[in-house]
Amino acid sequence: GAVVSQHPSRVICKSGTSVKIECRSLDFQATTMFWYRQFPKQSLMLMATSNEGSKATYEQGVEKDKFLINHASLTLSTLTVTSAHPEDSSFYICSALPIGSYEQYFGPGTRLTVT
Amino acid sequence: AQSVTQLDSQVPVFEEAPVELRCNYSSSVSVYLFWYVQYPNQGLQLLLKYLSGSTLVKGINGFEAEFNKSQTSFHLRKPSVHISDTAEYFCAVSVRRGFKTIFGAGTRLFVKA
Repeated sequence: GAVVSQHPSRVICKSGTSVKIECRSLDFQATTMFWYRQFPKQSLMLMATSNEGSKATYEQGVEKDKFLINHASLTLSTLTVTSAHPEDSSFYICSALPIGSYEQYFGPGTRLTVT
Repeated sequence: AQSVTQLDSQVPVFEEAPVELRCNYSSSVSVYLFWYVQYPNQGLQLLLKYLSGSTLVKGINGFEAEFNKSQTSFHLRKPSVHISDTAEYFCAVSVRRGFKTIFGAGTRLFVKA
């Protein structure tokens, strides 16, 4: 089946630094990838839709200058949390939509802790 | 706009008992419906999906769901649960391919021995 990986799986960083999270589709191509944020015991909140070769579409209330998304190829999207603060600590999950498919495949998530 | 309501935040059930996790949605257009399962500190795994056709959809791990358009529901059922089914379950809706998916708040299924 289709596999999506995320790297790193867990990261701890200091307040004010930037962190990059990678999302890769390992055995398929995806023109569309999604980035979600999940707080403890809560649902997934869509942050942005990442389209290969174009600018990401951000959901209302998500700061595009803080959460930089780059979708440079059909198998890789990156989320960079800039100038991270403790309130950015969360579980970040990406998903990828194979070309021509209705089903998106989810990565295992990245646990970000900002100290 | 679309929305998803999962009516139960937690569902405790004994092993080998049947279970139903409820999901209602709101949309002015036709939708695609999904159920996902999430184990602790992991991503989401698709259990089943409804795109069109038969309203009874069978998924993995013995789960099934029925799409009821008149009641705008997509309840998930399993006739006999196992301890290993303990997890968070999310109902989700999407209006067309490639469009964003809206998730419900989730239902925590806790299977007791």
